[in-house]
Amino acid sequence: AQTVTQSQPEMSVQEAETVTLSCTYDTSESDYYLFWYKQPPSRQMILVIRQEAYKQQNATENRFSVNFQKAAKSFSLKISDSQLGDAAMYFCAYRSRRGNEKLTFGTGTRLTIIP
Amino acid sequence: DTGVSQDPRHKITKRGQNVTFRCDPISEHNRLYWYRQTLGQGPEFLTYFQNEAQLEKSRLLSDRFSAERPKGSFSTLEIQRTEQGDSAMYLCASTQGAGQGETQYFGPGTRLLVL
Repeated sequence: AQTVTQSQPEMSVQEAETVTLSCTYDTSESDYYLFWYKQPPSRQMILVIRQEAYKQQNATENRFSVNFQKAAKSFSLKISDSQLGDAAMYFCAYRSRRGNEKLTFGTGTRLTIIP
Repeated sequence: DTGVSQDPRHKITKRGQNVTFRCDPISEHNRLYWYRQTLGQGPEFLTYFQNEAQLEKSRLLSDRFSAERPKGSFSTLEIQRTEQGDSAMYLCASTQGAGQGETQYFGPGTRLLVL
């Protein structure tokens, strides 16, 4: 079974600065997807960024980028120019390309933005 | 609004009562997932549907839980004889799902409190 580990329960960053959230995972598969989801307080979970394991190039979405290290099974999220609206729980998730394609989540990192 | 909707948003019930939650996926999304999220944890997979067929159930889904998706549109999740341990956020997600790793879109969730 796949597992996802987020070792940072809480992180904080000054507004306009850069922060990196860590995620490691364990799998025996070679083909899969990795995601970062954002869950603002009392609001629904939304996708921030996704990465296909077969792609060597790291995904980027505006201020959000990932550092995908397949051999190390590491998938970190970098948020540049942090904004107050970035404050939320961030979940790293794994999804196999086979079977039901359910998401396996980590325990999350609560990100606080300091004005 | 074409997002995933869930009803009710909050439910308080007494131990032993039955509760039912509803999820309306994004139109034409044929895969629908239920997850459960307890405090301080990431969501955990419960079950999923491909159209009207329930194709997999997690071991977390005890006999007191039942889910349906008649006609492949909305889905219901019923919990019979609720227990305090059932208190959690119940999330629904949908995807077009053709084995291509499409994004799962989440609803706002139903927060259940069992007294």
